[in-house]
Amino acid sequence: DMKVTQMPRYLIKRMGENVLLECGQDMSHETMYWYRQDPGLGLQLIYISYDVDSNSEGDIPKGYRVSRKKREHFSLILDSAKTNQTSVYFCASSWDRGTAEVFFGKGTRLTVV
Amino acid sequence: GDSVTQTEGQVTVSESKSLIINCTYSTTSIAYPNLFWYVRYPGEGLQLLLKVITAGQKGSSRGFEATYNKETTSFHLQKASVQESDSAVYYCALGVDRGSALGRLHFGAGTQLIVIP
Repeated sequence: DMKVTQMPRYLIKRMGENVLLECGQDMSHETMYWYRQDPGLGLQLIYISYDVDSNSEGDIPKGYRVSRKKREHFSLILDSAKTNQTSVYFCASSWDRGTAEVFFGKGTRLTVV
Repeated sequence: GDSVTQTEGQVTVSESKSLIINCTYSTTSIAYPNLFWYVRYPGEGLQLLLKVITAGQKGSSRGFEATYNKETTSFHLQKASVQESDSAVYYCALGVDRGSALGRLHFGAGTQLIVIP
């Protein structure tokens, strides 16, 4: 069963705390992504990873960092979370570096208070 | 840069009626982009509904259709007869698979479809 799994699904953190969002895929996909979505906006790309330790900034990387030490796992880290990072975060993966077949997880709703 | 515009934030349609959700795109790439419709059902992740990677072609899935029109830079989603189970959020997206844009999708804001039984 091909899937992208995100943990946790819901998270509440205080401003200034560190946040770790985890993502796994069981398809041995080469490329993985982190997007965020805010009300009234489309998904915005935070980071893209082309393989282990091969990460590139997306359109809105400020305030985030990522880690990919195994092909199946891709983590998003918020050091000292801010209230404007309250959002829904989506992880995704694809077979190759193109956009033709991208699989998404169910999302993590992060609230920073 | 590349962008996608969906003008309707919410569309309400009665069951068995027809549907159209508008999508237009803009790209600075010399290559024609790939165009996609994704759907998000409540509590689920985004699922690819249909895609078209060749200008002028039509994509279809589950009764939905969209035609890639490079003249009007549009990719509207249509369905002849909607069902209550079609209620979801629909996202139009664009991808240009070359250069620094490789692998990057650009999304519209999404259109919430509500089907009234």
